[in-house]
Amino acid sequence: DVKVTQSSRYLVKRTGEKVFLECVQDMDHENMFWYRQDPGLGLRLIYFSYDVKMKEKGDIPEGYSVSREKKERFSLILESASTNQTSMYLCASRTPQQGAGGELFFGEGSRLTVL
Amino acid sequence: LAKTTQPISMDSYEGQEVNITCSHNNIATNDYITWYQQFPSQGPRFIIQGYKTKVTNEVASLFIPADRKSSTLSLPRVSLSDTAVYYCLVGDYRDDKIIFGKGTRLHILP
Repeated sequence: DVKVTQSSRYLVKRTGEKVFLECVQDMDHENMFWYRQDPGLGLRLIYFSYDVKMKEKGDIPEGYSVSREKKERFSLILESASTNQTSMYLCASRTPQQGAGGELFFGEGSRLTVL
Repeated sequence: LAKTTQPISMDSYEGQEVNITCSHNNIATNDYITWYQQFPSQGPRFIIQGYKTKVTNEVASLFIPADRKSSTLSLPRVSLSDTAVYYCLVGDYRDDKIIFGKGTRLHILP
């Protein structure tokens, strides 16, 4: 079975702390994504990566950075957490395929609370 | 990715067929239409994808008219467990920046 694993389901951090959210996929996928989800706002793309060491900004990159040193791992970093970063964070991966296919596989999500 | 428009919410009853329509007027020739389902406190999961006419799998059917400017996700005989948010996405496999809209919140009533 395909698997996208996010390191923590629930985290509580304090304002100003550095936060790492880890995501690992076992499907040899090229593309990986980080989204955040807030009530009424749907899923919003933070960053994505189309290859190792390659990254692109999504729609809301401010306050975040990412790292992709290995193909299977994509990390989201909050350099200095703030209360407005309290959210559900979702990681996804896929292999782009011409024609049908290439769907996204999501992890279970990491619910971050910043106090 | 082509912009999509779908209803914000829908209610239905158990045992009914539910149809959720998505508009995508500027769909491009190489674009596919993909639907995802998301239960509370979980990540979205793929349910169906199509290019034209009709696609059916064990979960749903997807109807796409000839002009491809809209599509309809059909869920047969829904149950309470089909309560979820359903997202319609339209795009080409080369699109790396995959953007979700707000989806349709489907609420199934007993």
